[in-house]
Amino acid sequence: GDSVTQMEGPVTLSEEAFLTINCTYTATGYPSLFWYVQYPGEGLQLLLKATKADDKGSNKGFEATYRKETTSFHLEKGSVQVSDSAVYFCALSAGSRAAGNKLTFGGGTRVLVKP
Amino acid sequence: DSGVTQTPKHLITATGQRVTLRCSPRSGDLSVYWYQQSLDQGLQFLIHYYNGEERAKGNILERFSAQQFPDLHSELNLSSLELGDSALYFCASSVATGQPYEQYFGPGTRLTVT
Repeated sequence: GDSVTQMEGPVTLSEEAFLTINCTYTATGYPSLFWYVQYPGEGLQLLLKATKADDKGSNKGFEATYRKETTSFHLEKGSVQVSDSAVYFCALSAGSRAAGNKLTFGGGTRVLVKP
Repeated sequence: DSGVTQTPKHLITATGQRVTLRCSPRSGDLSVYWYQQSLDQGLQFLIHYYNGEERAKGNILERFSAQQFPDLHSELNLSSLELGDSALYFCASSVATGQPYEQYFGPGTRLTVT
């Protein structure tokens, strides 16, 4: 079945540091890929997405590129802020009628940015 | 604010009891999804409804059931509760199904079984 693997945290960074969170996936067909963010005590918010190979999703300074050859969708941000402290989830959706468009999530990576 | 509402926010109950979690999707969204987030299992898909019909089931226990009503709100019923059912339960909605439409998540219901 489909699966998502992302690096375990916690990741602790200083403000203005570069952030990378690795994500790799296993899926049949051509899934769509997502990054969601969960701030303390809140639900998940969609951060960015990519629906086909070589697409780059971007939002709020975060970027991720859909790499079919390496089955990866790594999240990057050039200069993090304290407000970026959260748990980040990589997810995929097969988008097929049979799969019902469910999201399959990675285990989440907690990021802590210190001032 | 995603536009998806869930009630109640917190629920504390005893083993063996039954509870109902409620979700109202964003205006215009026809699909509702339920997910469970626990420390040991992570985020897992439970079930998907589209316009009142069940479309897909994930790792949902037989003690759990769901439905989507004509006004498109959904309820997740959990019965014969066990300690291991303690988790955050999220509802998400999207416009339709069959394509990778974005899913918008509610704030969740935290269930504690004592």
